[in-house]
Amino acid sequence: DAGITQSPRHKVTETGTPVTLRCHQTENHRYMYWYRQDPGHGLRLIHYSYGVKDTDKGEVSDGYSVSRSKTEDFLLTLESATSSQTSVYFCAISGTGEEQFFGPGTRLTVL
Amino acid sequence: EDQVTQSPEALRLQEGESSSLNCSYTVSGLRGLFWYRQDPGKGPEFLFTLYSAGEEKEKERLKATLTKKESFLHITAPKPEDSATYLCAVQGHNAGKSTFGDGTTLTVKP
Repeated sequence: DAGITQSPRHKVTETGTPVTLRCHQTENHRYMYWYRQDPGHGLRLIHYSYGVKDTDKGEVSDGYSVSRSKTEDFLLTLESATSSQTSVYFCAISGTGEEQFFGPGTRLTVL
Repeated sequence: EDQVTQSPEALRLQEGESSSLNCSYTVSGLRGLFWYRQDPGKGPEFLFTLYSAGEEKEKERLKATLTKKESFLHITAPKPEDSATYLCAVQGHNAGKSTFGDGTTLTVKP
């Protein structure tokens, strides 16, 4: 299995609070991604990174920001969580930008 | 905008009953089409990459094929352990970004 971990694995928070999810890889892969997965919507790209400090928006980036200050870590921040951001969040990595390897996911509930 | 449509949404098979899953796509300049398997509560697991029409890839009971408009994932003599959601994704001219379909949930009954 690709060396990719996500933390926390589960989180319950209140509306309006900031939340940061962490993705950590040990594969030295160039690309890192954050997706959300909801019933009826499949996997939707939030943001991705193609190198340290190089990031770009995905299709559902509103309300989310990311940072990548070193190769192995990619952080996803919800500045002020809303109930619509309740979801399962997956991080993925890729060496070539083609096939992706996914982490175990973080289940986030915003009350 | 790249689009991926998978059908059927759900498929129930008896063990040993072969079938196919469909992935229809529209993309400007296909760089690659990808198949993934996702088990409940886990992240997707990469299966295959297809690059051009006519290409085929096989792994155990799975075979993926590609035309200019769609891809098929053929499952031969499935077993209960093949039960999972199968996701298709395409990558167009925007290198590094893939668009995923909603998946087909396969259930194989013993």
